[in-house]
Amino acid sequence: KNQVEQSPQSLIILEGKNCTLQCNYTVSPFSNLRWYKQDTGRGPVSLTIMTFSENTKSNGRYTATLDADTKQSSLHITASQLSDSASYICVVRGSSTLGRLYFGRGTQLTVWP
Amino acid sequence: DSGVTQTPKHLITATGQRVTLRCSPRSGDLSVYWYQQSLDQGLQFLIQYYNGEERAKGNILERFSAQQFPDLHSELNLSSLELGDSALYFCASSVGPRLTNEKLFFGSGTQLSVL
Repeated sequence: KNQVEQSPQSLIILEGKNCTLQCNYTVSPFSNLRWYKQDTGRGPVSLTIMTFSENTKSNGRYTATLDADTKQSSLHITASQLSDSASYICVVRGSSTLGRLYFGRGTQLTVWP
Repeated sequence: DSGVTQTPKHLITATGQRVTLRCSPRSGDLSVYWYQQSLDQGLQFLIQYYNGEERAKGNILERFSAQQFPDLHSELNLSSLELGDSALYFCASSVGPRLTNEKLFFGSGTQLSVL
């Protein structure tokens, strides 16, 4: 069964600290993986996309990694800011004809001052 | 601002009623997707339309229906509402019918509360 599991479910860190969010998936065949950030009361916004051949990709203070062999991805946030408080959602796209998307339940990150 | 517009932002109604949620995609986008997000669930895909035609169907209940109009805006109709239908409903859009490497642009959602 194609699934996307994220951990931890929630995380609280102090401003300025780093953190890493995890995403494990069983989607096969695999096309790509995206991390979305969802602020409270808003729609998700794409942070980065990882394709099969990519291991690491950075977008400012966000760095995503992908290990397609173990079907794991991580999102590392450095020097966290209060505005990083949000839900981070891992979305995996299958490579079948319809290219269905599989959504994780998200990690709720709270950054305290 | 994603460019995707959803109305209304909030909707409160009673069980058994029918409501219509509206979505205008980004300019130039032909695909519209509807998602349901409950408190304890991730985003659940309901249905996709591409250029006026139904493209893919997810976990959409028979009580729910959708359509995409010639001007590409879309409406999601929810009928015989139950308490469990209370959720955040998102619309998203993209240019093409398949999300090869495209990203989805999400609206701000409609918060539906069924009392």
